[in-house]
Amino acid sequence: AQRVTQPEKLLSVFKGAPVELKCNYSYSGSPELFWYVQYSRQRLQLLLRHISRESIKGFTADLNKGETSFHLKKPFAQEEDSAMYYCALSGPSGSARQLTFGSGTQLTVLP
Amino acid sequence: DGGITQSPKYLFRKEGQNVTLSCEQNLNHDAMYWYRQDPGQGLRLIYYSQIVNDFQKGDIAEGYSVSREKKESFPLTVTSAQKNPTAFYLCASSIVFGNEQFFGPGTRLTVL
Repeated sequence: AQRVTQPEKLLSVFKGAPVELKCNYSYSGSPELFWYVQYSRQRLQLLLRHISRESIKGFTADLNKGETSFHLKKPFAQEEDSAMYYCALSGPSGSARQLTFGSGTQLTVLP
Repeated sequence: DGGITQSPKYLFRKEGQNVTLSCEQNLNHDAMYWYRQDPGQGLRLIYYSQIVNDFQKGDIAEGYSVSREKKESFPLTVTSAQKNPTAFYLCASSIVFGNEQFFGPGTRLTVL
């Protein structure tokens, strides 16, 4: 069974400080990993996916298969980064690709 | 703010009543999904549909039913068999099953 764990329900950092949102997964194969974000009064939306290896809004996430982790990082947090962040996993193309979400981390960036 | 819409935004129901949540999309997406969001539990998949006239159970389908008679519409019925129906319900769609999902604004259901 596939599972996603986000150990921190709440995370607070000061503006300009580095931030890391943790995500660990359990999957017997090669998954695809995603980070979704929900800003206040906005819809849940895709932030980034590991296969793109891109940086969105200054955030990056590297898939570490050895540690089965996909932590989300940003070197200098901004107040507008305050939001709910969900890590999600799906099977690779050709298999059952339903998304499994973690329980989410509420990030607050303090002024 | 079109794309994928859900109605109503808030819904109240008495115990023992069935209620249907609406989800419509004008994105021409083949796949649609229903999730339930509870505090501290993230999103859990209720049902999904890869294509019109087809749907499959997700992880927590008991007490729910769906239909997919039209590509644009994927209504969810919360039946009286659902033991804990009070929750926030999110609908999503993707161009094909497994691609990036686009979410609706959600419906908050409260059982009185």
